[in-house]
Amino acid sequence: DAEITQSPRHKITETGRQVTLACHQTWNHNNMFWYRQDLGHGLRLIHYSYGVQDTNKGEVSDGYSVSRSNTEDLPLTLESAASSQTSVYFCASSESGTGTGELFFGEGSRLTVL
Amino acid sequence: DAKTTQPPSMDCAEGRAANLPCNHSTISGNEYVYWYRQIHSQGPQYIIHGLKNNETNEMASLIITEDRKSSTLILPHATLRDTAVYYCIVTILTGGGNKLTFGTGTQLKVEL
Repeated sequence: DAEITQSPRHKITETGRQVTLACHQTWNHNNMFWYRQDLGHGLRLIHYSYGVQDTNKGEVSDGYSVSRSNTEDLPLTLESAASSQTSVYFCASSESGTGTGELFFGEGSRLTVL
Repeated sequence: DAKTTQPPSMDCAEGRAANLPCNHSTISGNEYVYWYRQIHSQGPQYIIHGLKNNETNEMASLIITEDRKSSTLILPHATLRDTAVYYCIVTILTGGGNKLTFGTGTQLKVEL
């Protein structure tokens, strides 16, 4: 079955280190998204992509970057991790065109920055 | 995207209908109403969406008022497994992609 997977599911790192969270989907969806979720907040959009070589900033993009070199993957990189980036990160994908617009979410990656 | 307002929490007895309200008074004519839910620690899950007609699927029903300024998600026979945070989102359905804006949702607790 097609799916969307995130790795690692849990990671602890230190302030200043570079961290990459992987997201891989097998639906061949053009659209991919990264959200973060913190206590007291809903999901907030970090970056998104509507296709290969396309990337866009969301509402909380500072300190994060993404690249889209193929349809299946959208890795999220924290160039220099900060304690404020301790959060749960969710990747999602959706198809383009006249579908339902439904987003399919991964199971999340819990990142702790010490 | 239009802003939505939902109660922060609701309780429901198992087996009864759960009616979750959402206000979206600034919704524009081409914006859809989407509902997602998030069971503890999992990724959000799509439930249903609609434009102006009422919709029903195997999970829930969506009732949208005639003026489209509010809607209600109905879980007809709530079970303990329906305990989750429910998000109401309004957005334009584009041919490209929907970057949904999630609020804080309604925490539904289904109890025996």
